[in-house]
Amino acid sequence: DIQMTQSPSSLSASVGDRVTITCRASQGISNYLAWYQQKPGKVPKLLIYGASTLQSGVPSRFSGSESGTEFTLTISSLQPEDVAIYYCQKYNSDPLTFGGGTKVEIK
Amino acid sequence: EVQLLESGGGLVQPGGSLRLSCAASGFIFNTYAMSWVRQAPGKGLEWVSGISASGGSTSYADSVKGRFTIFRDNTKNTLFLRMNNLRAEDTAVYYCAKDGRTYGYGGNSFFDYWGQGTLVTVSS
Repeated sequence: DIQMTQSPSSLSASVGDRVTITCRASQGISNYLAWYQQKPGKVPKLLIYGASTLQSGVPSRFSGSESGTEFTLTISSLQPEDVAIYYCQKYNSDPLTFGGGTKVEIK
Repeated sequence: EVQLLESGGGLVQPGGSLRLSCAASGFIFNTYAMSWVRQAPGKGLEWVSGISASGGSTSYADSVKGRFTIFRDNTKNTLFLRMNNLRAEDTAVYYCAKDGRTYGYGGNSFFDYWGQGTLVTVSS
């Protein structure tokens, strides 16, 4: 099965900082990669699919990119409401797999 | 407005069974694959099982294969998960999730809508 390795597991940054989260697939998955945001006590929310397509209604400060088997979620200017755990998920085929999550906090 | 409402969770002894339900509304249910995703307390997300729009194709995580069965009733816009031989490690919030694309087979989904979840606790 394809493994998804997400890094870092946590980070602390200041409001306005550029934040980058990485997800690496153990094998090629084309662009079948989604990103989710889960705020404390809330349900996961889809941010990006197809590695770089922004879901409707998601602020434009969120973006996604891919380079081979490495995928990146970028928050261009961190806001207080972005405090959450972020997960990647591959969906090229089953089993569907999530990364271990990245906890983002405000410094 | 898309709504997914899970029910059926609760406390069950190891080896016991439960059936979860997910009532869907706000979209054409029989054109979307659906999945169950779980989250153990304080842990990350784990996909459990998926089913195609018609119900003719199903997929399972290895951790539940042979114990859980996913099925759907498209006449009642409802998704189900039958869970047998439950173990302590199945303790989690179980979310019903809708595929972000039409006519997936259930094993190639990303999820644009999630229910609020139902808690399953397996303990003696």
